[in-house]
Amino acid sequence: TQLLEQSPQFLSIQEGENLTVYCNSSSVFSSLQWYRQEPGEGPVLLVTVVTGGEVKKLKRLTFQFGDARKDSSLHITAAQPGDTGLYLCAGYSGGSNYKLTFGKGTLLTVNP
Amino acid sequence: NAGVTQTPKFQVLKTGQSMTLQCAQDMNHNSMYWYRQDPGMGLRLIYYSASEGTTDKGEVPNGYNVSRLNKREFSLRLESAAPSQTSVYFCASRWGQGTYGYTFGSGTRLTVV
Repeated sequence: TQLLEQSPQFLSIQEGENLTVYCNSSSVFSSLQWYRQEPGEGPVLLVTVVTGGEVKKLKRLTFQFGDARKDSSLHITAAQPGDTGLYLCAGYSGGSNYKLTFGKGTLLTVNP
Repeated sequence: NAGVTQTPKFQVLKTGQSMTLQCAQDMNHNSMYWYRQDPGMGLRLIYYSASEGTTDKGEVPNGYNVSRLNKREFSLRLESAAPSQTSVYFCASRWGQGTYGYTFGSGTRLTVV
């Protein structure tokens, strides 16, 4: 079973601060996705990274896929209360069924 | 709005009772998935259906059965509910092939007492 370890598990910061969330595995993934989940809702896809070393930016969010395709990070610049939520990474290891393996998530709280 | 619809949103069952969680998508997606989410455990795959007429076990299938009724609907059945099945259940459908992603429903919160 391929595992994805996310750190930190919990993060509470003040509005305007920067933060980084990590997603690590001992296994290689074909691609990796990041989702954000708000209370009472299902996860919503933020980004997919496919190529080792790839960097994608989504406004104040920067996503990076490790060169070896075993790890990823999510960096948020100048966090806002609207960024509050559970951030999940999910890895796809190949195959036609497109099953995703999810990390346990990082619960981010941004205080005004 | 297009998306994945799950019913019911909340349910309380007594141990030993049975129930079916319903999921429907109107995006013409081939693949559908059932996950459970527990505190500290993340999302774990219960069953999935790569296409209409096929179903396969995921990571935690024991105590569950599924039916892919047609392309739109994928139901999850608990035949004899146990307290260990208390969880939030999410249904998802997959769009795309090379570029892909999951669309999730808003979940069913199930409590077994």
